[in-house]
Amino acid sequence: ETGVTQTPRHLVMGMTNKKSLKCEQHLGHNAMYWYKQSAKKPLELMFVYNFKEQTENNSVPSRFSPECPNSSHLFLHLHTLQPEDSALYLCASSQTGAGYTFGSGTRLTVV
Amino acid sequence: GENVEQHPSTLSVQEGDSAVIKCTYSDSASNYFPWYKQELGKRPQLIIDIRSNVGEKKDQRIAVTLNKTAKHFSLHITETQPEDSAVYFCAAPHTNAGKSTFGDGTTLTVKP
Repeated sequence: ETGVTQTPRHLVMGMTNKKSLKCEQHLGHNAMYWYKQSAKKPLELMFVYNFKEQTENNSVPSRFSPECPNSSHLFLHLHTLQPEDSALYLCASSQTGAGYTFGSGTRLTVV
Repeated sequence: GENVEQHPSTLSVQEGDSAVIKCTYSDSASNYFPWYKQELGKRPQLIIDIRSNVGEKKDQRIAVTLNKTAKHFSLHITETQPEDSAVYFCAAPHTNAGKSTFGDGTTLTVKP
């Protein structure tokens, strides 16, 4: 692992389920991000946290709910998702103004 | 906000040839420009970056050039090899916003 760990790697969930994605970084970075990657939009920003405070919500539907309890951990809580939410969800971290380190992603399938 | 356009969307070259991918950005205050490589089934990884106080940076077979006046920067890969086949993304930051906008990616195929 490169310092950003995402779990689970794969997730299949029904539209009525509630699940959570987890991201952890041990790089000492102050910023963490959630991105959605799909064929339609290769790297689409969802949420940004700087020093564990949310600084960006890129018009994401409320069925996606982020949580950042500290600067090393980031969660994405999922509920009542739609099939079109199926995608690869990537977590990343960085120092402000520097390059990103990405996690391996969670491949989500909504059935 | 920042708007990033990346071209071409696909690029096919013969092994040994050079490849060039270009990105334009809109925020003249942007000062950091990274490039990421994503191999099939893997995470994007930072391969090279440049800051606005320099015009070019090289690392072995890859280089990045920056033209601040024209607001574009390019990735150059020389002596391409099959293992260079991947999707390449450029990015540009939103000034003081702690986030970056990514280009839509370029799928590079290097034919042996």
